[in-house]
Amino acid sequence: DTGVSQDPRHKITKRGQNVTFRCDPISEHNRLYWYRQTLGQGPEFLTYFQNEAQLEKSRLLSDRFSAERPKGSFSTLEIQRTEQGDSAMYLCASSLDLFSNEQFFGPGTRLTVL
Amino acid sequence: AQKITQTQPGMFVQEKEAVTLDCTYDTSDPSYGLFWYKQPSSGEMIFLIYQGSYDQQNATEGRYSLNFQKARKSANLVISASQLGDSAMYFCAMREGISDDKIIFGKGTRLHILP
Repeated sequence: DTGVSQDPRHKITKRGQNVTFRCDPISEHNRLYWYRQTLGQGPEFLTYFQNEAQLEKSRLLSDRFSAERPKGSFSTLEIQRTEQGDSAMYLCASSLDLFSNEQFFGPGTRLTVL
Repeated sequence: AQKITQTQPGMFVQEKEAVTLDCTYDTSDPSYGLFWYKQPSSGEMIFLIYQGSYDQQNATEGRYSLNFQKARKSANLVISASQLGDSAMYFCAMREGISDDKIIFGKGTRLHILP
């Protein structure tokens, strides 16, 4: 399978714990995006990377959130001191470059904070 | 103000009928792109169709077409000959400007195809 992959698919954690999600984009895709989707809503943009450079961060991305793409390939999204409001689906997408119209989405990681 | 508005939270349509999902958008940028994505119950977002603001013709992809009315800031999705597998959430989305790469999504419309 050569699509976007995300790991884990589901994560249940207790409030206050740290969690880390991984996203592997489609090979040779330069751009990588993170979105968050809560129940009954469309995805909301969090941040995106051009290769290893983080180009934009949403105001939704509080200081408890950090994202990295160290070698311009896979990316990680870490949430520190999780809160119940962090419960959501975290979606990763990738695109070939700036001029690509389509972002290819992964299956998502569903986070439940108890 | 909402950038993307989808006024139909849910729709029920008989199999084989055509269906129109409404979407209006708000932007002052002359350059933008409009998207429709499908999200089945399994959760993955599936790209359906794209329309650029400067495109003269309405976009079409198989059974999907985008009814682009620029003056009305409307970008409705038309699905012809609906199938049971079309049952899903459908999201309208927009990317503003040339260099801004994030996509802004609407709240979605849940489509139910009846046998």
